[in-house]
Amino acid sequence: KNEVEQSPQNLTAQEGEFITINCSYSVGISALHWLQQHPGGGIVSLFMLSSGKKKHGRLIATINIQEKHSSLHITASHPRDSAVYICAVKGGADGLTFGKGTHLIIQP
Amino acid sequence: DAGVTQSPTHLIKTRGQQVTLRCSPKSGHDTVSWYQQALGQGPQFIFQYYEEEERQRGNFPDRFSGHQFPNYSSELNVNALLLGDSALYLCASRKTGGSSYNEQFFGPGTRLTVL
Repeated sequence: KNEVEQSPQNLTAQEGEFITINCSYSVGISALHWLQQHPGGGIVSLFMLSSGKKKHGRLIATINIQEKHSSLHITASHPRDSAVYICAVKGGADGLTFGKGTHLIIQP
Repeated sequence: DAGVTQSPTHLIKTRGQQVTLRCSPKSGHDTVSWYQQALGQGPQFIFQYYEEEERQRGNFPDRFSGHQFPNYSSELNVNALLLGDSALYLCASRKTGGSSYNEQFFGPGTRLTVL
C-alpha cells in the first residue's frame, strides 16, 4: 500500500510570497495528481504528472520519479489561492491514494 | 459540459437508515470511482465501476455497495448507517482506454451527516 506524505500540513503566508508544498510517496506510481479543495468540499484537479514539470498560470508542479517526490509551487500568491492542496497517486489497482492535504492560507 | 455532477448536495440520516447517493460522469467518461472523505482527512477509495460492474474495491465493508447504469451514471448505497459514515462522498470519472492512465475529474461531493 502506498503511503503519501505531504508537508507542511498547514501554511500561512503573505500575499505575493512564493509557496512550495511537498509530496512524498513510498511505492512506484503511474501518475500523480495535485488537487485543490475549497471549504465547500468540491475538488478541482490542478495537474496530473507522470514525469518532469507542468506549468499553468502561477502554478508549477514537478515530479522526481527516482526520489518518489513531487512539489507544487505557487508564484505571486493571492488570497484566492487559500485552499487545501491534496496530492494523490495512482499506483496499483486500488484507485487513487491521497495525502491528508496542506491547508494554505494567504493573508492580504 | 457540466462536468461531474452529484446529488444530493447535503443529506441528513439517522443511524440504521439506508442512503443512496448519485453521480453523473463527465461527458465521454465511462469509469466512475467513489471516495469517502472524513473531516480533516484525505479521501479514501471505496470502489470503481466500469461497464456496469464493480472492478476495484477499497477497504470498505459490504454495507457499501454501488451500481452503474448503461448511461455510465452511478449510485453509491450505504446500508445500516453508522455515525462514522458521516463524511463527504466524492465521485470521480475518467475515460478508460488507451495505453496510459487518464486523468480523473471530481464532482462537488455529497455531504452526509448521520445522527
